[in-house]
Amino acid sequence: EAQVTQNPRYLITVTGKKLTVTCSQNMNHEYMSWYRQDPGLGLRQIYYSMNVEVTDKGDVPEGYKVSRKEKRNFPLILESPSPNQTSLYFCASRLKDRREQYFGPGTRLTVT
Amino acid sequence: EDKVVQSPLSLVVHEGDTVTLNCSYEVTNFRSLLWYKQEKKAPTFLFMLTSSGIEKKSGRLSSILDKKELFSILNITATQTGDSAVYLCAVYNNAGNMLTFGGGTRLMVKP
Repeated sequence: EAQVTQNPRYLITVTGKKLTVTCSQNMNHEYMSWYRQDPGLGLRQIYYSMNVEVTDKGDVPEGYKVSRKEKRNFPLILESPSPNQTSLYFCASRLKDRREQYFGPGTRLTVT
Repeated sequence: EDKVVQSPLSLVVHEGDTVTLNCSYEVTNFRSLLWYKQEKKAPTFLFMLTSSGIEKKSGRLSSILDKKELFSILNITATQTGDSAVYLCAVYNNAGNMLTFGGGTRLMVKP
């Protein structure tokens, strides 16, 4: 089944404890992206990647890192999480020549 | 700064009603506009529009884009309870890499 998977789906952590949210897609998509969704603010793009080893900042990259070592994986790294990073995170992917993105199931992160 | 604004913020209707959701945008070098439906999970793709005046249709849902006035509408006819969701509008800028979302319209359809 063609899909985007994220792990973990739910995470509660403490301020300053490094964490990684994984994202993987099995559709051979070149483009992958991370979003966060907050009430009243909608979905905001954190980082995106056009292909392996090519990443760029979105609208809200502060406090996040990404890497794209393989085409199928695009992990989101929070080196020192803070409470303002409590949010619902979505990973998405698409083919480079198409515009419709396919979203993962979401990761609900709480930082205390 | 790119901006997408959706209205209304929320809407409550009864089954069988017709609804119109609005999306206006200010984007540097507009490329395309997308509509998504989000229930209690990830957004799912509905439509993509790139040209003015051409209606996209899928069953009871339809959408149209006006590039001169910088807006799009999403129509849902004969609404059903299964249409209850948040509807998201998003716009790609010129490079086609950055997708800017609106805040969404929460639609509730009552039996």
